[in-house]
Amino acid sequence: VQLVESGGGLVQPGGSLRLSCAASGFTFSSYDMHWVRQGTGKGLEWVSAIGTAGDTDYPGSVKGRFTISRENAKNSLYLQMNSLRAGDTAVYYCARGLRGTYNFDYWGQGTLVTVSS
Amino acid sequence: SYELTQPPSVSVSPGQTASITCSGDKLGDKFACWYQQKPGQSPMLVIYQDSKRPSGIPERFSGSNSGNTATLTISGTQAMDEADYYCQAWDSSTHVVFGGGTKLTVL
Repeated sequence: VQLVESGGGLVQPGGSLRLSCAASGFTFSSYDMHWVRQGTGKGLEWVSAIGTAGDTDYPGSVKGRFTISRENAKNSLYLQMNSLRAGDTAVYYCARGLRGTYNFDYWGQGTLVTVSS
Repeated sequence: SYELTQPPSVSVSPGQTASITCSGDKLGDKFACWYQQKPGQSPMLVIYQDSKRPSGIPERFSGSNSGNTATLTISGTQAMDEADYYCQAWDSSTHVVFGGGTKLTVL
């Protein structure tokens, strides 16, 4: 199992960014997928989830600003982030959902998003 | 919103048993899991569904969950176990929630 994130970088407050996660080594379409972020020196925060049927879920902190999507034919997961704020600065991890749970059994190496003027 | 509380730090001597707690309202009614994160690395699942170990996780890692507290226990702690540990659960209101993390020091 391998998860490789990309798309991070520096963006101004109010700007947008799209993260990608390339998955390999497993049947991507059969698993729920998630994004989890971690501010520098801070704890983990769940950002979004997408089920195998394309159903999505978000915490209140990003709902309406972030959109998770998947493209099973490309074994890829995405996170569209709009109206970014300084508080969104973090390493963003792509994570695979452990079947039958809301736990995460494999994580990518993360991609850094910095929101600053 | 649902919250999970962990002690910021725990210290243990090599070879001894380390216990890291995670507290939340009626946490025992939910499933808890634990992640280990070493500096500069991604988190790794070490316990899920309260007490199950993923493949490859040493037997010295165990978990329990009852009442308002879930506990991660590391028996015969080794220097390589020094890391940050995060508990996590699912709640109907907050959905996925993490504890604030505990820094385990082996000294």
